[in-house]
Amino acid sequence: EAQVTQNPRYLITVTGKKLTVTCSQNMNHEYMSWYRQDPGLGLRQIYYSMNVEVTDKGDVPEGYKVSRKEKRNFPLILESPSPNQTSLYFCASRRQGWSTDTQYFGPGTRLTVL
Amino acid sequence: QQQVKQSPQSLIVQKGGISIINCAYENTAFDYFPWYQQFPGKGPALLIAIRPDVSEKKEGRFTISFNKSAKQFSLHIMDSQPGDSATYFCAAIPKYNFNKFYFGSGTKLNVKP
Repeated sequence: EAQVTQNPRYLITVTGKKLTVTCSQNMNHEYMSWYRQDPGLGLRQIYYSMNVEVTDKGDVPEGYKVSRKEKRNFPLILESPSPNQTSLYFCASRRQGWSTDTQYFGPGTRLTVL
Repeated sequence: QQQVKQSPQSLIVQKGGISIINCAYENTAFDYFPWYQQFPGKGPALLIAIRPDVSEKKEGRFTISFNKSAKQFSLHIMDSQPGDSATYFCAAIPKYNFNKFYFGSGTKLNVKP
């Protein structure tokens, strides 16, 4: 089954404790992206990757890092989480090259930073 | 600053009625406008999309109307059903970078039986 998986699905942590949210896709997509969803703000793009070792900033990259060492994986790293990073996070993937291709989203990771 | 403005924030419609969600933008470089549907506990899923060279696109009960001069586009759900109850997001992608997505703030639709 074609899918985007994220782990963990729920995470409660404390300020300053480094964490990683994993994202994996099995569709051989070149493009992957991270978003955060907040009430009243919709989804905002954090980072995206066009292929292995190629990443770029989205609209809200501050406080986040990403890496793309393998085509199927695109982890999101919060090196020193703060309460304003409490949010619902989505990973997505798509074939690179065409804006009209469907972007597939993962199930989401709900992060709470205390 | 939100590049795509979406309204209303929430919408209640009776079964069989028409649901209308509106989006507006300023950036004339936007070249592709998808709509996403999100059910509780799930990620968004592409519903329907349009390019600015057409004024309307219809897929089943879902229609996008696009007004290029007004820089506005809207989603119409005809014969709304309780199963359509979800949050809907409009989005826009610029022609200079089709890797960047700008989403509206979302509309929570509740279709009452």
